[in-house]
Amino acid sequence: EVHLVESGGGLVQPGRSLRLSCITSGITSGDDAMSWVRQAPGRGLEWVGFIRNKAYGGTTDYAASVRGRFTISRDESKSIAYLQMNSLKADDTAVYYCTRCRDSTCYYVSWGQGTLVTVSS
Amino acid sequence: IQMTQSPSTLSASVGDRVTITCRASQSITSSLAWYQQKLGNAPKLLIYRESTLESGVPSRFSGSGSGTEFSLTISSLQPDDFATYYCQQYHIFSTFGQGTKVEIK
Repeated sequence: EVHLVESGGGLVQPGRSLRLSCITSGITSGDDAMSWVRQAPGRGLEWVGFIRNKAYGGTTDYAASVRGRFTISRDESKSIAYLQMNSLKADDTAVYYCTRCRDSTCYYVSWGQGTLVTVSS
Repeated sequence: IQMTQSPSTLSASVGDRVTITCRASQSITSSLAWYQQKLGNAPKLLIYRESTLESGVPSRFSGSGSGTEFSLTISSLQPDDFATYYCQQYHIFSTFGQGTKVEIK
């Protein structure tokens, strides 16, 4: 069975950085694309970005709202995906979900439980 | 690509047939998925490729459409189905609809 477990959320001041981690188990790391999706309190789902699988070079793409500030990476040896978030803004406050895509096609077959990031002074 | 989902809220009773629609701002072929989210939980994949039921999802859920117009239908609403539903296009990157809350009438 596939499990995704996020960690690293918390309270952070505007302008600061935070790194989220997503530990995966039950799958072969690198075979599937991975994505981050967020949900602001009481709001809908928003795609943040994704990292393609090995077959597609592990390249990344991001939503316009976070491009240039957020970076997704993965350590296949540890089966961990990361979301590095820099220059955080109040609008980045949300629950962040790590998700697994099916192969290279990014609909989300597995989700973590989410980790809350609160950006506030 | 923008996704417009309607209605935003739907009041229904157990046993009702309900339909949620999703419209894309441009053609997404059949690259459309549907998710169910219950309060405090992560979303769950129901349908992908517009009409393919994910393993383990009850057959009362079905999806249809293509191009720019899509729908999710629950043939006979069950107590476990009261939740919020989202569509997602994955034709170009990813975009979600605003969500439809299905509540008890």
